Amino acid sequence: EDQVTQSPEALRLQEGESSSLNCSYTVSGLRGLFWYRQDPGKGPEFLFTLYSAGEEKEKERLKATLTKKESFLHITAPKPEDSATYLCAVWRRETSGSRLTFGEGTQLTVNP
Amino acid sequence: DTEVTQTPKHLVMGMTNKKSLKCEQHMGHRAMYWYKQKAKKPPELMFVYSYEKLSINESVPSRFSPECPNSSLLNLHLHALQPEDSALYLCASSQGVYYVQYFGPGTRLTVT
Repeated sequence: EDQVTQSPEALRLQEGESSSLNCSYTVSGLRGLFWYRQDPGKGPEFLFTLYSAGEEKEKERLKATLTKKESFLHITAPKPEDSATYLCAVWRRETSGSRLTFGEGTQLTVNP
Repeated sequence: DTEVTQTPKHLVMGMTNKKSLKCEQHMGHRAMYWYKQKAKKPPELMFVYSYEKLSINESVPSRFSPECPNSSLLNLHLHALQPEDSALYLCASSQGVYYVQYFGPGTRLTVT
C-alpha cells in the first residue's frame, strides 16, 4: 500500500529563517511527486512536479528536490506570506488512470 | 490560465435536502475529479472522470452522485447526506489522467 509521510507536522519560523520540509514515500510504480500549497479554506495550489531522483525545481523562495525515497521542500528566507499548509502527493499509474496519494501536510507559520 | 471554478462557495443543507455542487473549467482538460477534505486532513479522492466517463469511484456512498454533462462541466449531486459529510469539496482537472491536477477553490458544505 502506498504511504506518504510528511514531517514535521507543524513548523514555526521567523521571517528570514530558512528550513526544509520532508516528504518520505513508499509506492510501487511511482510516476512522479507533487508539491502543493494550501491556504485555509481554499483549494491546493500546484507548486512542483518531480519525476526522477536527482531532479530539482525552483520557484521564488522554494526549491524542491527528489531522491528515491523522499523529497524535500527547501524554503529560503521565508516571508509571512509563505505561511500555509504544504502538501506532498505521490502519483502512481494504474490501469484505470492515475492516482494521487497525499501526505498529511506540514503547516508552516512564518512570523514577522 | 489554470482556473477551475466551483459554485457555490458555501452550502448549508438539511439531511433531507437535495442539492448540487458545480465545477467548471475552460482549459480543454479531459480529466476531472472530486475530492473531499475534512479539517486538517489531506484531500481524499472520490471520483475521476476521463473523457466524460467515470473511471474511478472510490466506493463513495450512493448519496453522492457525480455527473459529467460535457468536457468542461462536472456536477456532484447530493441527497440525504449525514452531518459527517460536512467538509470542503474540491474539484480538480487535468489535461489527461496522467497530467498535473489543478484544483478549484472548493465548496464548504455543512449538513445540519
